[in-house]
Amino acid sequence: DQQVKQNSPSLSVQEGRISILNCDYTNSMFDYFLWYKKYPAEGPTFLISISSTKDKNEDGRFTVFLNKSAKHLSLHIVPSQPGDSAVYFCAASARSNFGNEKLTFGTGTRLTIIP
Amino acid sequence: NAGVTQTPKFQVLKTGQSMTLQCAQDMNHEYMSWYRQDPGMGLRLIHYSVGAGITDQGEVPNGYNVSRSTTEDFPLRLLSAAPSQTSVYFCASSYRRGKLFFGSGTQLSVL
Repeated sequence: DQQVKQNSPSLSVQEGRISILNCDYTNSMFDYFLWYKKYPAEGPTFLISISSTKDKNEDGRFTVFLNKSAKHLSLHIVPSQPGDSAVYFCAASARSNFGNEKLTFGTGTRLTIIP
Repeated sequence: NAGVTQTPKFQVLKTGQSMTLQCAQDMNHEYMSWYRQDPGMGLRLIHYSVGAGITDQGEVPNGYNVSRSTTEDFPLRLLSAAPSQTSVYFCASSYRRGKLFFGSGTQLSVL
């Protein structure tokens, strides 16, 4: 049962245009969402996060939007740059009774920026 | 400025062999975890620890053991390697909710 889904395995975008990566989740207990970026032969690196108390969070060229009613979040990259070419993972967590939390990751979207 | 260090980077095992993947962090993070990445499956949590002496199972714990005797180290032991354990393994640590710092990974092949 895939609780976090990224339905687009790949996406190609022209340099300078907007990249939109999508993520859907099924677990209504998730209350914190993150995006990670991964280059080949490296570990994932944290990009941006959003709490369920917000519907938008911005950090420079990166904006994450959360639609709780649709259980959907998206990552917008504007403008897209060649260095943004990577695999992007969506992740979610739910606070447990003991204060521990475990991230559930999506399957990833490979973004290619075309110069 | 090492962050999270994983060794080895590559390993080939025969079915039935055992080995330990090493993970060390120098950021004094309480939370550490192990994930495996497989094609089309994303990253799946194997085991995690919220402090020295405290560990718990994740989504795919079978065939793996962990222990946490110090804050810095969180080794992952494969008891009897199987081809299904061929994967890329990532160790991560965290000081606050969700923002994991990952190591560069160990690529493991089990023949």
